[in-house]
Amino acid sequence: EAGVAQSPRYKIIEKRQSVAFWCNPISGHATLYWYQQILGQGPKLLIQFQNNGVVDDSQLPKDRFSAERLKGVDSTLKIQPAKLEDSAVYLCASPSRTGAFFGQGTRLTVV
Amino acid sequence: GDSVTQMEGPVTLSEEAFLTINCTYTATGYPSLFWYVQYPGEGLQLLLKATKADDKGSNKGFEATYRKETTSFHLEKGSVQVSDSAVYFCALSEAYTGNQFYFGTGTSLTVIP
Repeated sequence: EAGVAQSPRYKIIEKRQSVAFWCNPISGHATLYWYQQILGQGPKLLIQFQNNGVVDDSQLPKDRFSAERLKGVDSTLKIQPAKLEDSAVYLCASPSRTGAFFGQGTRLTVV
Repeated sequence: GDSVTQMEGPVTLSEEAFLTINCTYTATGYPSLFWYVQYPGEGLQLLLKATKADDKGSNKGFEATYRKETTSFHLEKGSVQVSDSAVYFCALSEAYTGNQFYFGTGTSLTVIP
């Protein structure tokens, strides 16, 4: 089966600018996660979708981060405005019975 | 809440040395436990998993046993290779928390020839 697709792979923006990341999970997978992985740390959950509904967004900084999954397939994560501390790799994941499949991630650098 | 504590790195070993990376967890219910690996410049890949107490996960010469009594899931390999150089993450997932994954901070392993 095809993997989790994410784009772009890299993004550099200035603080206070906005940015969006895209994820297309494994076909047919209802659950989708967005994780943030800061350098030197493990991934931390930002938001979990089940189809097009939000299951858990308790750790999403909602004043600047937003995410949607309008048709229950692909998803977009947005940051507006970005801060220096948002520099991280943003990972999208699709769970299965054997574990979770992760995309390659988008490496965001805020300068 | 759920959490995973991993042995801090970095770890540097000579080729063919024995590897242990310690991992302990805290969970509300009965989690599944995982080891993920991240090779330089690549994404997270599932290395092995165990879903219940006393299960042993294994893959590519790596092993880990789910120890409920010590809440541990230590990763071991009898003889490491240069190609094993990567960052290793211990993780758990359980239905009680919506099956989301909780990760440790990662342990960087470098194997030198």
